[in-house]
Amino acid sequence: GENVEQHPSTLSVQEGDSAVIKCTYSDSASNYFPWYKQELGKGPQLIIDIRSNVGEKKDQRIAVTLNKTAKHFSLHITETQPEDSAVYFCAASKGTGGFKTIFGAGTRLFVKA
Amino acid sequence: DTAVSQTPKYLVTQMGNDKSIKCEQNLGHDTMYWYKQDSKKFLKIMFSYNNKELIINETVPNRFSPKSPDKAHLNLHINSLELGDSAVYFCASSLQGGDEKLFFGSGTQLSVL
Repeated sequence: GENVEQHPSTLSVQEGDSAVIKCTYSDSASNYFPWYKQELGKGPQLIIDIRSNVGEKKDQRIAVTLNKTAKHFSLHITETQPEDSAVYFCAASKGTGGFKTIFGAGTRLFVKA
Repeated sequence: DTAVSQTPKYLVTQMGNDKSIKCEQNLGHDTMYWYKQDSKKFLKIMFSYNNKELIINETVPNRFSPKSPDKAHLNLHINSLELGDSAVYFCASSLQGGDEKLFFGSGTQLSVL
């Protein structure tokens, strides 16, 4: 069935360093790949997304890359700050027969000041 | 004005009881969802509704009964609560359903004693 795997489960970096989170998906029909940030006590919130017709997208310190052939996509955060500390989820969904977004297991990111 | 609001925020109850969680969105979206987040932060879809119609029931026990009186509301009723039902339940909505961004509520933490 549909599955999204996410690594690592925990990531600890020094403030100012970069953080990379990687995901793979199983359903080749998936065409939309969002990333969500969840802070303590809150619901997940979209931070960036990418569609299957694009290989890379950047928004300030955050970038996502997508390799459709390998079914891999990654989140890159540069110049990390303590407020980036949170749980990050990758996800995948598809247009046709959609109505379901599949989430990865999450990565807990700690940014040490 | 909160886009997706769910109540209550916390729910503590005894095994065997029946409880409800309410959700409302003011975004004019057609599709609403219920997700369950377990203690390891894993987010799993339970139900999807599009224009008040059930689209996806992800093998959820019959004790869980969602109800959508109109497309802005999706409530979740749980009968005969079990210890394993303890989790955080998130309501979400999206414009149409499929390959698009989800807007999440702040979650309901359910504790079954």
